[in-house]
Order: sequence, then C-alpha cells, then structure tokens
Amino acid sequence: DADVTQTPRNRITKTGKRIMLECSQTKGHDRMYWYRQDPGLGLRLIYYSFDVKDINKGEISDGYSVSRQAQAKFSLSLESAIPNQTALYFCATSNTGDNEQFFGPGTRLTVL
Amino acid sequence: GDSVTQMEGPVTLSEEAFLTINCTYTATGYPSLFWYVQYPGEGLQLLLKATKADDKGSNKGFEATYRKETTSFHLEKGSVQVSDSAVYFCARRITGGGNKLTFGTGTQLKVEL
Repeated sequence: DADVTQTPRNRITKTGKRIMLECSQTKGHDRMYWYRQDPGLGLRLIYYSFDVKDINKGEISDGYSVSRQAQAKFSLSLESAIPNQTALYFCATSNTGDNEQFFGPGTRLTVL
Repeated sequence: GDSVTQMEGPVTLSEEAFLTINCTYTATGYPSLFWYVQYPGEGLQLLLKATKADDKGSNKGFEATYRKETTSFHLEKGSVQVSDSAVYFCARRITGGGNKLTFGTGTQLKVEL
C-alpha cells in the first residue's frame, strides 16, 4: 500500500465550484505540504503544516485554503475554482529533522 | 532568495549515452541539495541527496557532487537506459524554512533505443 495517498486522482470541474483535494499518509510524519506543478514552472508550494495546529502559507496560497484534520490528513480546498488553477497537485510529507519529502501520486485538476 | 536553476529540456539521448543535467543554486547558507525523479504518471521520488560541500550523492547509477565553489549540483549518469526516461528536478532546502524545499523547473529526459 502507498504511504501517501491522494484523492481524487483526476477531477474535472467548472469555474466557481468548490473543490476539496485530500491527502492521507501512513508514514507517521508530522509535516505535510501541498504543491502545484505547472509545465515549465516546476513545483510551487501552496501551504504547509508542521503539526496538527500549525498552518502556513507557501508562495502561492491565494485562492486556496487547507485543513489539517489529524496528523495523517491534510486537505486542500479551492473555494471558487478558476481555470488558471488547472494543474497537477501533489501532497508531500516529511519528518522533523529530516530533509527528505515523500510525495503522493498527484491529483490532476481541470477547471473549465 | 533561495532558488535553483536547472537546464531546460527536453533532453533526448540514445541508450548507453552519457547524461549530464546541470543544476545551480543560490548560495544562501549551506543548504542540503536533492535530485528528485518523476516517472510518467507518478509523484516525485527522491533520487539522491547531499547535505554538505564535497558530498557525493549516488543511486541507481546516478551521481551528483555538492560543489560549493561553483554552487552546482549537476546530475550525471555514465550510461542511460530507456527506463531512465522521466522528469528530473533539482531542489534545495530553504534557509531557515524547516524542511521546506524549493525546486527547479524540471528537465525532461527521453532515452531512445
């Protein structure tokens, strides 16, 4: 079984709709991250959380919100989706003191 | 700020050719450096890392050496295979940012028979 899972894997939605992407991990890590990947831009950090009650904005947080419901779960929401949020979204985890991040398989989101 | 610059792709090579993908980083502090690989349809996975100057990271025949004097961490492999076709990302730890990483834009590698 995968250590970091994301649901859904693919989603097509319309402009203005609210969307939630979910991430779960069984690695026992305390730190979790949400990135988006766009062609030619690499990965950009949206939000990150170092513990259940800790939420921090990344470099491109506008238009997004997150919830850390438990140590193992970190959800990303688009309150009102717009077409330029069409991208591949990745969740990642890491442990305190360890630089390596472990990535989920990604969610491909298309906003029409 | 902290950033990473890597060569643009796509890079197309024949099987058994020598591979170099260049990566340079901004010299803020002494960051840990990473190469991640993304195979088609999958998430990123760590390929190798180096945590201090002159360290050499290696895995699956790939190598990269942390060069402080040139602020570089170039990825090399002596003989690529078709199965190495993927997107490769260079990354560095963000200074004072806990475990946060900043990534390069990625380099697509295609290996042909």
